[in-house]
Amino acid sequence: QKEVEQDPGPLSVPEGAIVSLNCTYSNSAFQYFMWYRQYSRKGPELLMYTYSSGNKEDGRFTAQVDKSSKYISLFIRDSQPSDSATYLCATMIAAGGTSYGKLTFGQGTILTVHP
Amino acid sequence: NAGVMQNPRHLVRRRGQEARLRCSPMKGHSHVYWYRQLPEEGLKFMVYLQKENIIDESGMPKERFSAEFPKEGPSILRIQQVVRGDSAAYFCASSPPGLVNTGELFFGEGSRLTVL
Repeated sequence: QKEVEQDPGPLSVPEGAIVSLNCTYSNSAFQYFMWYRQYSRKGPELLMYTYSSGNKEDGRFTAQVDKSSKYISLFIRDSQPSDSATYLCATMIAAGGTSYGKLTFGQGTILTVHP
Repeated sequence: NAGVMQNPRHLVRRRGQEARLRCSPMKGHSHVYWYRQLPEEGLKFMVYLQKENIIDESGMPKERFSAEFPKEGPSILRIQQVVRGDSAAYFCASSPPGLVNTGELFFGEGSRLTVL
């Protein structure tokens, strides 16, 4: 079993739709949860991060973490064609020692938003 | 402020040759990470380095792979005697010490290795 599971999709939605992306994880030690966005042939870039359980909102993006069910979600409101990319969830054990920057990624979900 | 620079962007090698991938972190960043992205798989951690030190290499294959981050110059990921299974995109990331607690890494655009 992978430590972080993510449905690879692909997911295709019309412009303006609400998009829901999800991951599950198995390691209770994970404390930091992130969403990275990766455009084709580019490196990933950080979209959002949260520490422990809870919600975090940034513009059209909302990240949710439910540690009790080990579930991570990213919601995109009013999706735009420019949101078309691969979305990667990532987790990290609480910072300290060699855990710095050692991220465990999901497989990534390919999202296409069509006009 | 230039981002993380990786070169070459594309590299083709025949089986048995050596591949050297270079990474210059963002200015002021002292932490460097190498990740590998195989086809149909997510990014996998390989190694974490600081200047002149390997901090964590738990994701590196035991043979043929090595990494360094010298006092001067870029970080280098070296793959000796490449095999077809080494074909992948290799991403370098960097961060300043203060940001590593949040998991925010700044990634380069990757080096795509193809082994014939």
